[in-house]
Formats: sequence, C-alpha cells, structure tokens
Amino acid sequence: AQSVAQPEDQVNVAEGNPLTVKCTYSVSGNPYLFWYVQYPNRGLQFLLKYITGDNLVKGSYGFEAEFNKSQTSFHLKKPSALVSDSALYFCAVRDKDGATNKLIFGTGTLLAVQP
Amino acid sequence: DAGITQSPRHKVTETGTPVTLRCHQTENHRYMYWYRQDPGHGLRLIHYSYGVKDTDKGEVSDGYSVSRSKTEDFLLTLESATSSQTSVYFCAISLMEISTDTQYFGPGTRLTVL
Repeated sequence: AQSVAQPEDQVNVAEGNPLTVKCTYSVSGNPYLFWYVQYPNRGLQFLLKYITGDNLVKGSYGFEAEFNKSQTSFHLKKPSALVSDSALYFCAVRDKDGATNKLIFGTGTLLAVQP
Repeated sequence: DAGITQSPRHKVTETGTPVTLRCHQTENHRYMYWYRQDPGHGLRLIHYSYGVKDTDKGEVSDGYSVSRSKTEDFLLTLESATSSQTSVYFCAISLMEISTDTQYFGPGTRLTVL
C-alpha cells in the first residue's frame, strides 16, 4: 500500500533562514507526489507536485521540493523563510490502488517562523 | 478556494442525529471528494464521486453516505452522528481522471458532535 510519512510534527525556523519540511514515501512504481499548505481556518492550498522530469520542482510562494528516488524523499524547501509561511504543511501521494485519482496524505507538519 | 463552497461552515449537533454537509462547485468538474481531517491522521478520504450518481467508498466510509444528483453538488450525510465523527470535513475537486491531476479543496466544515 502507498504511504507518506512526515517525521516532524513541528519545524521552527527564524525568519530569513532556509527551511526544510521533510516527507518520505513508500509506493510501488513511480510516485506522484504533492505538497499542500493549510493556513489557519482555511482549506488546503496546492503548492507543487512531482510527476516526472527534473528532480527539483518549483511551486507557489517561492517554495520548491526536491525529489530523491534513492532516499524515497520529497522534501519541501524555501531559501528564506517568512513569518507569513507559518502554517500546516501536508505531503501527499497518489494512491495507485484502483483507477481513481485518490490522494494519501501525511499527518502534517506545523511550520513556525519566528520574527 | 477554486470555486468550491461548503455549507454549513460550522455545525454543532447531538449524538444520534442525522447531519448533511453540502459541497457546491461552480465549474462542472467531474470528480469530487470528501475528506476528514483529524490531528495525527492528516486527511483521510471518506467517499468520492466520478460523475452524477457515480460514487464509491474511500478509506473511512463507515457511518457516512453520499449523493450526487447534480454535477455541482456533492452531499455527505452522517446517518446517525457519533462523537467520533467530530472533525473538520473538506470537499475537493479535480478536473480529470488522470493520476497526475491536482485536487483543489474547499474551505472546510467544522462539525462537533456532542
């Protein structure tokens, strides 16, 4: 069965510093991976996805993610964190059991950026 | 929120009562999904729909039913609400049935079952 893991419940970073939110996956075959962000009392917003091609994927709000097949990871990164980046971040993988486009989500990582 | 509205946005109900949550989209997307979000679990799929009157179960479907009589509306019903169904419920849509397509989410409904 497909799964994703987000090993950190919370990540703390100072404004202006680089940030990394970790995600590892377990899938059969080629993975289709997604990152979403959730601001307080809001729905999930799509950030970026990896389907194929370049291992470095660029997304919204200056975020990027690096796909590493050998380490089965898809970490979210940003060179310089903003206080406004503070939110809950979810990694997800396409569920390949069955024909429908279903997503399996990680448990989420709370990013706190201190001024 | 990708043209998706959910109603109500907040609801408090009592154990044993039926509850219906509505998801409405304005752009005739074929695929719609209901998820619940709980601490420590992320989002889990309850039911999904791949067209009018075409629905199927997700990972945590027990105690829930869905209906889709029109393209734009996807209803989630808790037949007899229990405290374990206290959660935040999100509707999502995707345009295409391809594995690379992105899902877009509504603003959510916070449900409390007392």
